[in-house]
Amino acid sequence: GESVGLHLPTLSVQEGDNSIINCAYSNSASDYFIWYKQESGKGPQFIIDIRSNMDKRQGQRVTVLLNKTVKHLSLQIAATQPGDSAVYFCAESNTGRRALTFGSGTRLQVQP
Amino acid sequence: NAGVTQTPKFQVLKTGQSMTLQCAQDMNHNSMYWYRQDPGMGLRLIYYSASEGTTDKGEVPNGYNVSRLNKREFSLRLESAAPSQTSVYFCASSATGGSGTDTQYFGPGTRLTVL
Repeated sequence: GESVGLHLPTLSVQEGDNSIINCAYSNSASDYFIWYKQESGKGPQFIIDIRSNMDKRQGQRVTVLLNKTVKHLSLQIAATQPGDSAVYFCAESNTGRRALTFGSGTRLQVQP
Repeated sequence: NAGVTQTPKFQVLKTGQSMTLQCAQDMNHNSMYWYRQDPGMGLRLIYYSASEGTTDKGEVPNGYNVSRLNKREFSLRLESAAPSQTSVYFCASSATGGSGTDTQYFGPGTRLTVL
């Protein structure tokens, strides 16, 4: 069946370093991808999204890269800060479906 | 502008009890969603409403019912709660009519424990 998964359940980085969180997906029909940040006790917060007609998109301190050939998605966070500590989820969908399919999440821990 | 709000924040039920989780959005969005999140897992879709007056099942609808009361409000009801329904429930909304490629915005969640 369709699945969206993550390579690493926990990622620990030093403050100021760059972070890379990876995500694999299996549905070749997926054409929309999104990253959410979830802090403890809160709902998912939108970070950035990308559509399949792009392979890179940048936001403020974040970049999402999409490799459709190997069905891989990554989120890069520049100059990681303690406030970036959270669980990060990737999710995917396509125009023929109503809702998102979420991965299981990666916990990012930022060490001071 | 509060975004997506949910009530209650916490709830404890006994097996067999019923309750309704409330969700409201003030962004004039057409679509609304209910998800559940179990420990260490991503979110799974329970039900969604692409527009006022329509509802559809998601991935895990058994044991739940929903009502799209108006454009702003979308409620989730547990008729006879079971321990397997212990979870965190999130409501979300998106602007257009039920396209999966629409950015969804989430509420803060309801933490439900069924004893």
